[in-house]
Amino acid sequence: GIQVEQSPPDLILQEGANSTLRCNFSDSVNNLQWFHQNPWGQLINLFYIPSGTKQNGRLSATTVATERYSLLYISSSQTTDSGVYFCAVGPRGNDYKLSFGAGTTVTVRA
Amino acid sequence: DGGITQSPKYLFRKEGQNVTLSCEQNLNHDAMYWYRQDPGQGLRLIYYSQIVNDFQKGDIAEGYSVSREKKESFPLTVTSAQKNPTAFYLCASGQGTDNEQFFGPGTRLTVL
Repeated sequence: GIQVEQSPPDLILQEGANSTLRCNFSDSVNNLQWFHQNPWGQLINLFYIPSGTKQNGRLSATTVATERYSLLYISSSQTTDSGVYFCAVGPRGNDYKLSFGAGTTVTVRA
Repeated sequence: DGGITQSPKYLFRKEGQNVTLSCEQNLNHDAMYWYRQDPGQGLRLIYYSQIVNDFQKGDIAEGYSVSREKKESFPLTVTSAQKNPTAFYLCASGQGTDNEQFFGPGTRLTVL
């Protein structure tokens, strides 16, 4: 299956700081999603972004499919941004499975 | 409201018992999925179903079973054959060739 690597594994930020999370994957993909897991375990969909750039408020994401990586940007971080961010990818073809990275744990301090 | 519901939220089981976790969706999605999450790790796929009355094993299917008799329901049974069942279980659904997946709130299973 596709290998997914996320970096860094842990990130500590001061409120108001900007940050970049990275996701590398090992093969061509049909699907790439970014999720935020809140303290109660719920996975919140942030972006569906197999290619290109999207923005949603203080968050934005870019996927460069030809180079097999995606970036998630957090600007002006807030304490509510704390949690684990997961990247998940699905291969090309009819296989609809998602492979998850190990996640980046973000802690935003007031 | 449209969404995915899972029940129960917390489940405690004695060793040797089978338990069934419920997952229901009203998003009219064809595909449904079960994932397992262990502390500090990402999600791993247990089983998935792309259509009613059909399902496939994921990466860690041993000790689990599923059924898909209705489009909106995809229950997961954790059997006594699962060696280490204590974990957080997440159900998801998706639709179409892009297959964007959406997740339920999860069930925390603890084996006593």
